[in-house]
Amino acid sequence: QVVVTQSPSASASLGASVTLTCTLSSGHWRYDVAWHQQHPEKGPRFLLRVNSDGSHTRGDGIPDRFSGSTSGTERYLTIFSLQSDDEAVYYCQTWGNGAQVFGGGTKLTVL
Amino acid sequence: QIQLAQSGPEVKKPGASVKVSCKTSGYTFTSHGISWVRQAPGQSLEWLAWINPWNGNTLHADNFRGRLTMTTDTSTSTAYMELRTLTPDDSAVYYCARETRFGEVGPLDFWGQGTLVTVSS
Repeated sequence: QVVVTQSPSASASLGASVTLTCTLSSGHWRYDVAWHQQHPEKGPRFLLRVNSDGSHTRGDGIPDRFSGSTSGTERYLTIFSLQSDDEAVYYCQTWGNGAQVFGGGTKLTVL
Repeated sequence: QIQLAQSGPEVKKPGASVKVSCKTSGYTFTSHGISWVRQAPGQSLEWLAWINPWNGNTLHADNFRGRLTMTTDTSTSTAYMELRTLTPDDSAVYYCARETRFGEVGPLDFWGQGTLVTVSS
């Protein structure tokens, strides 16, 4: 079964950019992922899907400040022009063999 | 617009069962799977199970096979999740989420607001 690993925390300044990383376990380089954003006391919100070929598709109403990319077993979420509302926990999700798998989440702090 | 509206908070005693509903709107209910996910306080997301509302096919995470049952009512576009033999470790917020795919698990693109389930004696 695939394992999804995320750094527990990240930080960046208001107006800057930040890249969050989702690492799939060895050998799972063909897996696509979805990124979700969760503010405190709120439910998750789908941001975008990142495919193994590097393409990505944003969810409804998600601004183009959110972008995805791929390198090997790593899937990235880049947020440009950081806003205070981007401070949240970001979860990486993948799927396969009849199951969903989530990473531990990365708490993003906007300085 | 697409919405998934879940039932309200529940407080249960250990050993009891809980049933959470997820009423969908804004899309064709039978064209997308529904996954159930939970989140214990301060923890990450944990996938529980998936159902195909069109044919009733289900998938379960290993830890919940035999203890979790999902059903759907296509007349009201509502999905249900029942978890039995509750313990305090089952205290969490339970989410339903729409699958982008039809016949198998895939990206989750819309989420319910969550249902807090508290298990305490």
